[in-house]
Amino acid sequence: GDSVTQMEGPVTLSEEAFLTINCTYTATGYPSLFWYVQYPGEGLQLLLKATKADDKGSNKGFEATYRKETTSFHLEKGSVQVSDSAVYFCALRGPGNTPLVFGKGTRLSVIA
Amino acid sequence: NAGVTQTPKFRVLKTGQSMTLLCAQDMNHEYMYWYRQDPGMGLRLIHYSVGEGTTAKGEVPDGYNVSRLKKQNFLLGLESAAPSQTSVYFCASTEQVGQPQHFGDGTRLSIL
Repeated sequence: GDSVTQMEGPVTLSEEAFLTINCTYTATGYPSLFWYVQYPGEGLQLLLKATKADDKGSNKGFEATYRKETTSFHLEKGSVQVSDSAVYFCALRGPGNTPLVFGKGTRLSVIA
Repeated sequence: NAGVTQTPKFRVLKTGQSMTLLCAQDMNHEYMYWYRQDPGMGLRLIHYSVGEGTTAKGEVPDGYNVSRLKKQNFLLGLESAAPSQTSVYFCASTEQVGQPQHFGDGTRLSIL
């Protein structure tokens, strides 16, 4: 079945550092790909998405590019802030009515 | 604009007790989902619904039942709570397949 693998955390960075969180997937067909963010004590919020190969999703300074050849959707940000501290989830949705499949999440802590 | 509302936010149960978690959405979404979130496990789908009167099993359905009698509500029931069901439960909804899911803030459930 479909699956998502993302790098294990926690990831600790200093403010203004460059962030990469790796995400690879296994799926049949051409899934849509998502990054969700969960701030402490809250539910998940959509951060960005891409629906076809070579699409780049972007939001709040975060970017991720749908790479079909490497089955990857890595999350990047050029300069993180303390307010970016959260848990980040990579997810995919296959064709039809299939629900989202989530990775296990990566906790990011940004220190001043 | 309430979005997805979960009640209660916290609950402590004794083993063997029963309870129902309520999820309500005011966005007229067709699809609704129940997930559980455990440390190191990410989000796992319990049950979901593709419309009023429908339900389907997800990845970890055992020990849970659901009902979708009204389009705006999706109930998750535990008939006989077990300590292994201690978790944070999230409800989500979406308008249609391929669109982002909107999440509630979660219900933290502890079973002693």
